[in-house]
Amino acid sequence: KNEVEQSPQNLTAQEGEFITINCSYSVGISALHWLQQHPGGGIVSLFMLSSGKKKHGRLIATINIQEKHSSLHITASHPRDSAVYICAVIGNYQLIWGAGTKLIIKP
Amino acid sequence: DVKVTQSSRYLVKRTGEKVFLECVQDMDHENMFWYRQDPGLGLRLIYFSHDVKMKEKGDIPEGYSVSREKKERFSLILESASTNQTSMYLCASSPSRWRGDNYEQYFGPGTRLTVT
Repeated sequence: KNEVEQSPQNLTAQEGEFITINCSYSVGISALHWLQQHPGGGIVSLFMLSSGKKKHGRLIATINIQEKHSSLHITASHPRDSAVYICAVIGNYQLIWGAGTKLIIKP
Repeated sequence: DVKVTQSSRYLVKRTGEKVFLECVQDMDHENMFWYRQDPGLGLRLIYFSHDVKMKEKGDIPEGYSVSREKKERFSLILESASTNQTSMYLCASSPSRWRGDNYEQYFGPGTRLTVT
């Protein structure tokens, strides 16, 4: 079993829909990292969080340390949000990566 | 803005060739990383370095070596390229040494390597 599981693996939605991507992990962590990768390869950091909730524009990330679970939400989704979203956890002095969630937003 | 650059976006090499992938960061970061990314497998850590001339093996170091002679530059070397090393290679750097909320990685644009 992978130490970091993301769900769903693939998600297709219509423009304007509220999107939720989940990340569950099985190890003790000090922080969790959400990143975005657009077609073409570039990876951009979205959030780093160790508790509670963070918001940036239409993106919201939450984490529940007790339940070992984090969610990334996108409000009023737009085709430019189409990308792979990757969760990575920081624990035991190493970064453990999820496999990513491929999101497609259709106009 | 942090900038991480990689020497090539696309590279095609023949089996058995020695391949150098270079990564440079301009923010005086201590830590640098090399990953490969394959469909369905996510990012896998090949090697990382916490300081000049220091290197540590990641999850899949076999077939690779690295060099960090200067703080800003981290090179990945494929001693004898093989077809199973065809992949996307991503370099990253980070400013702090495993400090929870402050630990954030900045990525280069990636090098898509094809070994024929």
